[in-house]
Amino acid sequence: DAKTTQPPSMDCAEGRAANLPCNHSTISGNEYVYWYRQIHSQGPQYIIHGLKNNETNEMASLIITEDRKSSTLILPHATLRDTAVYYCIVRVRNDYKLSFGAGTTVTVRA
Amino acid sequence: DAGVIQSPRHEVTEMGQEVTLRCKPISGHNSLFWYRQTMMRGLELLIYFNNNVPIDDSGMPEDRFSAKMPNASFSTLKIQPSEPRDSAVYFCASREMGGVETEAFFGQGTRLTVV
Repeated sequence: DAKTTQPPSMDCAEGRAANLPCNHSTISGNEYVYWYRQIHSQGPQYIIHGLKNNETNEMASLIITEDRKSSTLILPHATLRDTAVYYCIVRVRNDYKLSFGAGTTVTVRA
Repeated sequence: DAGVIQSPRHEVTEMGQEVTLRCKPISGHNSLFWYRQTMMRGLELLIYFNNNVPIDDSGMPEDRFSAKMPNASFSTLKIQPSEPRDSAVYFCASREMGGVETEAFFGQGTRLTVV
């Protein structure tokens, strides 16, 4: 019962912005949108999360549509080290479970 | 803090042998998770501890798998006897839940190969 839908893969040019889409049309009012990434041979790494407002931190920006049915993770200036699998996850804020789907494999090319 | 520390990083064992994976969570975190990652099934939650107590072990595949957390700074995941289908990368993660919450921090994983 996948709660999110992401494209399986995408390419991005180094130095350009990478825009990663995620659909979550059945999201509940108390569920947040979380993004994690997994660089090859490493454990998943938390990136950002949001409820309904757009969020920005040192790693990325998260844009959530007004109806909250979809969101976009933005890596403002992609580098080769951003090549990874990116996971979009929806869950209640204090829920312990992280349900990882297949994610989007992002390849940043020089 | 050094982050979540797992050992060993790589383990190769023969079918039927006992395997023990180890995890040291981040100091101060009260929740610990064991995940397994395979190509076929992706990342799966095996078990979740809160304050050293197992809360949800519904993801543990079968009785051959067991996990313990004898104190706040150490956990083990044991497979006995091991089988080739147990080959996977096993991740440990920790977080602070309740009060000032943090997100989950993952270790580097243990790559297990059962031959």
